[in-house]
Amino acid sequence: KAGVTQTPRYLIKTRGQQVTLSCSPISGHRSVSWYQQTPGQGLQFLFEYFSETQRNKGNFPGRFSGRQFSNSRSEMNVSTLELGDSALYLCASSLEGQGRTEAFFGQGTRLTVV
Amino acid sequence: AQSVTQPDIHITVSEGASLELRCNYSYGATPYLFWYVQSPGQGLQLLLKYFSGDTLVQGIKGFEAEFKRSQSSFNLRKPSVHWSDAAEYFCAVGEYNFNKFYFGSGTKLNVKP
Repeated sequence: KAGVTQTPRYLIKTRGQQVTLSCSPISGHRSVSWYQQTPGQGLQFLFEYFSETQRNKGNFPGRFSGRQFSNSRSEMNVSTLELGDSALYLCASSLEGQGRTEAFFGQGTRLTVV
Repeated sequence: AQSVTQPDIHITVSEGASLELRCNYSYGATPYLFWYVQSPGQGLQLLLKYFSGDTLVQGIKGFEAEFKRSQSSFNLRKPSVHWSDAAEYFCAVGEYNFNKFYFGSGTKLNVKP
């Protein structure tokens, strides 16, 4: 079956712009979580959605937001981009959205802010 | 607070040599533990996981890990490393009721020919 699909794979944006990233989970999976990966901070949890509801949010400013649609696809949005937002953004798809359920990661979206 | 520590940032081993990557965790209860591998510019691939039961778990690509509650450790091992194992390895703790992980800072593995 198809894996987790993240689009686009690469993005270059200018400071002050906004960006929307997309994550299509594995068919039937109801939970999507998002992570930011940078060389300095490593993998940091952004938020998690389950059945269109945000259940968890990490320690990121309000410029970072997300949503999940009825088909479980998720989007995250970053407004007023800063240079420090340059990172690899990963999403993880999970069937039940519980810790003992394996999560499958997409290949990520590489965002560069210039 | 939950946390994961991987004390080794870089490790270099010769092809064919054995490998052990260290991982220590801090969690309030019995943890769900994972090891993921990441090739450059790619996502994370699950190597193995521990939920309960036998403390020695087998994973893909010949990897295994041992859960030691007394040491709060979940070290990853492989008896003979292949050049294709060169990548970055992440240890993680999973939240009980959510699709949420706490990751270590990662260990980059370099394999010498």
